[in-house]
Amino acid sequence: QKEVEQDPGPLSVPEGAIVSLNCTYSNSAFQYFMWYRQYSRKGPELLMYTYSSGNKEDGRFTAQVDKSSKYISLFIRDSQPSDSATYLCAMSPLTGTASKLTFGTGTRLQVTL
Amino acid sequence: DVKVTQSSRYLVKRTGEKVFLECVQDMDHENMFWYRQDPGLGLRLIYFSYDVKMKEKGDIPEGYSVSREKKERFSLILESASTNQTSMYLCASTGQGNSPLHFGNGTRLTVT
Repeated sequence: QKEVEQDPGPLSVPEGAIVSLNCTYSNSAFQYFMWYRQYSRKGPELLMYTYSSGNKEDGRFTAQVDKSSKYISLFIRDSQPSDSATYLCAMSPLTGTASKLTFGTGTRLQVTL
Repeated sequence: DVKVTQSSRYLVKRTGEKVFLECVQDMDHENMFWYRQDPGLGLRLIYFSYDVKMKEKGDIPEGYSVSREKKERFSLILESASTNQTSMYLCASTGQGNSPLHFGNGTRLTVT
């Protein structure tokens, strides 16, 4: 079993829909949770970063962490075609230690007009 | 704006060839990383370096080596390329503390 599980999709939604992307994990030591967005033929870029449980909002994006269930989510409101990308979750037991990051396999999202 | 530049977007090499993948960052970052990205497996760390001439093995170092002679440059070397090393290779860098990983746009390597 992988430490981090992520549905690969593809997930196709109409423009304006609310999107929910999820990851589950098995390592209870994970404390720091990130979402990266990767456009086609590009490297991943950091989208959201949260510590421990709770919610964090940034514009149309909300990251949610439920440590008791070992489950994290990324919500995208009013989705746009420009949101079409692969979304990778990543998590780490320690801050400032990128070498300890564990990535999910990514969910491919397609937002259609 | 941080820029991580990988010298080649696409490479095709033959089995047994020695392959060099080059990465340069322009933000004076201490830490640099090499990942490979494969469908269904995600990003896996091959090697990383936290200082010039320093290197640490990641999760899948077998068949690879690295070189960091200058702070801004981190090279990944495949001593004898094999078909199972066909993959997307991503370089990344980060500064100290909580600064995020900055990725290059990747090198798609095909070994035939």
